Amino acid sequence: QSMLTQPPSVSGAPGQRVTISCTGSNSNIGAGYDVHWYQQLPGTAPKLLIYASNSRPSGVPDRFSGSRSGTSASLAITGLQAEDEAHYYCQSYGGGLSVVFGGGTELTVL
Amino acid sequence: EVRLVESGGGLVQPGGSLRLSCAVSGFTFRSYAMSWVRQAPGKGLQWVSSISGSGDRTYFADSVKGRCTISRDNSKNTLYLQMNSLSAEDSAIYYCAKGFGETYSPYFYYMDVWGKGSTVTVSS
Repeated sequence: QSMLTQPPSVSGAPGQRVTISCTGSNSNIGAGYDVHWYQQLPGTAPKLLIYASNSRPSGVPDRFSGSRSGTSASLAITGLQAEDEAHYYCQSYGGGLSVVFGGGTELTVL
Repeated sequence: EVRLVESGGGLVQPGGSLRLSCAVSGFTFRSYAMSWVRQAPGKGLQWVSSISGSGDRTYFADSVKGRCTISRDNSKNTLYLQMNSLSAEDSAIYYCAKGFGETYSPYFYYMDVWGKGSTVTVSS
């Protein structure tokens, strides 16, 4: 089964820009399959943040953006705010007929 | 407003069974694939199962294949997950999630609305 690897944690000061990486393989991201991102605020359910690598659902601020290159994808957050403190998960094709999530990244706003 | 409300979680003994339900409203249920995703305490998200909008195609993670059944009643706008032979490793919050379209294609599939989850604890 294909895997997605994320850094366990990232941090940044208010107003700064942070990026969260999601490293896959030639079996998922590198093969061109879509990457999606979810935000999970403390104690709440996940929320779709970015779909199809770089598209935002309505209501998601344009401070959030996605990109991809080769076997990796990235989530960028600009103008960091305290309310952005959360766990972030990437998701893509997992092999066979499955989807897979990355291990998640905890964002701390300093 | 799109709403997904899970129910049916609770404490179950190892080897036992449980059926989760997810009642939905605010969209044409039969037109969307649905999924179950779980999250063990302090851990990340794990895809469990998905079902097409019509209910004729089902998909399972290897970790639950053969032990779980996913189904839906489009007349009742309700999604189900029947889980058997439960072990401690199945303890988690189980989220019901709406797919972005009628079919489940793992190459492009994402979940655009999530319920608040139902907690399953497997313990003696």
